[in-house]
Amino acid sequence: KAGVTQTPRYLIKTRGQQVTLSCSPISGHRSVSWYQQTPGQGLQFLFEYFSETQRNKGNFPGRFSGRQFSNSRSEMNVSTLELGDSALYLCASSLGTGNTGELFFGEGSRLTVL
Amino acid sequence: QQQVKQSPQSLIVQKGGISIINCAYENTAFDYFPWYQQFPGKGPALLIAIRPDVSEKKEGRFTISFNKSAKQFSLHIMDSQPGDSATYFCAARPPDRQGGKLIFGQGTELSVKP
Repeated sequence: KAGVTQTPRYLIKTRGQQVTLSCSPISGHRSVSWYQQTPGQGLQFLFEYFSETQRNKGNFPGRFSGRQFSNSRSEMNVSTLELGDSALYLCASSLGTGNTGELFFGEGSRLTVL
Repeated sequence: QQQVKQSPQSLIVQKGGISIINCAYENTAFDYFPWYQQFPGKGPALLIAIRPDVSEKKEGRFTISFNKSAKQFSLHIMDSQPGDSATYFCAARPPDRQGGKLIFGQGTELSVKP
């Protein structure tokens, strides 16, 4: 069974630009969650999508947005990039129902904002 | 109330020794407490998890001890090996049982010396 796939793995942007990151969850998983990982703040929850609907949202500004498609693939977008947005963005998939609780993470997309 | 505090920030252990990482939380409504292991360049992977109605869970060399009254839980790695060198994160899940939202601790960088 293929794992969680994130693209691109690395990207460099400049301030003010926007970026779109993609995540393909494990086959059969309907929930996709996004996390930001930085050395200073650690792992912080951005949002979760389940069956194309945002189910949970973290405390990030509106510049951070996401969506989920009918095949469960998800994208997140960051507009008007700031230097502080430099981070590893991790996608995690799960079944989304029941009570197993396990999240399966991808290897992340490392964003550098110059 | 949504924080999870993890200590120590870094830990050096000799091969064969016991590694102990501690976490504390405030929100008594958290209903699931996983530990994740992350190697450089990889996403976090679930190591072991516990629910608050259990005081201890053991899987191989890894044990979670859970103290509900003290609102603390810890990870013990017995017979630590160089291959265990990684960053470890504790986490807690808010009481949305189907959600992908986890509150993570700041992480502990473990180094096991041969």
